[in-house]
Amino acid sequence: EPEVTQTPSHQVTQMGQEVILRCVPISNHLYFYWYRQILGQKVEFLVSFYNNEISEKSEIFDDQFSVERPDGSNFTLKIRSTKLEDSAMYFCASSEALRTFYEQYFGPGTRLTVT
Amino acid sequence: AQTVTQSQPEMSVQEAETVTLSCTYDTSESDYYLFWYKQPPSRQMILVIRQEAYKQQNATENRFSVNFQKAAKSFSLKISDSQLGDAAMYFCAYYGTNAGKSTFGDGTTLTVKP
Repeated sequence: EPEVTQTPSHQVTQMGQEVILRCVPISNHLYFYWYRQILGQKVEFLVSFYNNEISEKSEIFDDQFSVERPDGSNFTLKIRSTKLEDSAMYFCASSEALRTFYEQYFGPGTRLTVT
Repeated sequence: AQTVTQSQPEMSVQEAETVTLSCTYDTSESDYYLFWYKQPPSRQMILVIRQEAYKQQNATENRFSVNFQKAAKSFSLKISDSQLGDAAMYFCAYYGTNAGKSTFGDGTTLTVKP
């Protein structure tokens, strides 16, 4: 069964450093997403991406964040200068379509720890 | 904006018994999807069951079923014959086709007692 993959599974970084979280969506999917879950809290939407541009972003997704699809397979989330409060689980997701037979597939997540 | 409410932070059930987790949502959209996800300690998000809003029939997946009440905007999950492996955090989620994103509830931690 196809699946979304994410690397690394756990990233530890120092405050102020840049991190790039990587995702490989399911190959025929067109819509890509990043979500964040701070420990003990709900999953929050960060950004959606379609046709090489951001479709929608939340208020969390400020100028410190950026997304990119650098090639035909990878989808990345970059945090330019990490803060302690960026420590969270980051989930990538993808879907084939938006309005017909919608299902969003989640990756296993990357645990980001900022020290 | 859409909101999803899970009013039960914690629930417990005896092994082999049945438990129901509650979820309500608020939306003005007519075209949307509802999901229940299971999150074990590994924190991976595992899809348990999906319901399309335009379908009147309640979705079922083996021991998992939902009670979808569209007018009441209610979407509860029933787990029958509970197993120890069902212990996890369960999230209810809403996806609106206009919004193009999922909105999650706060989650319910389910404990299964042997």
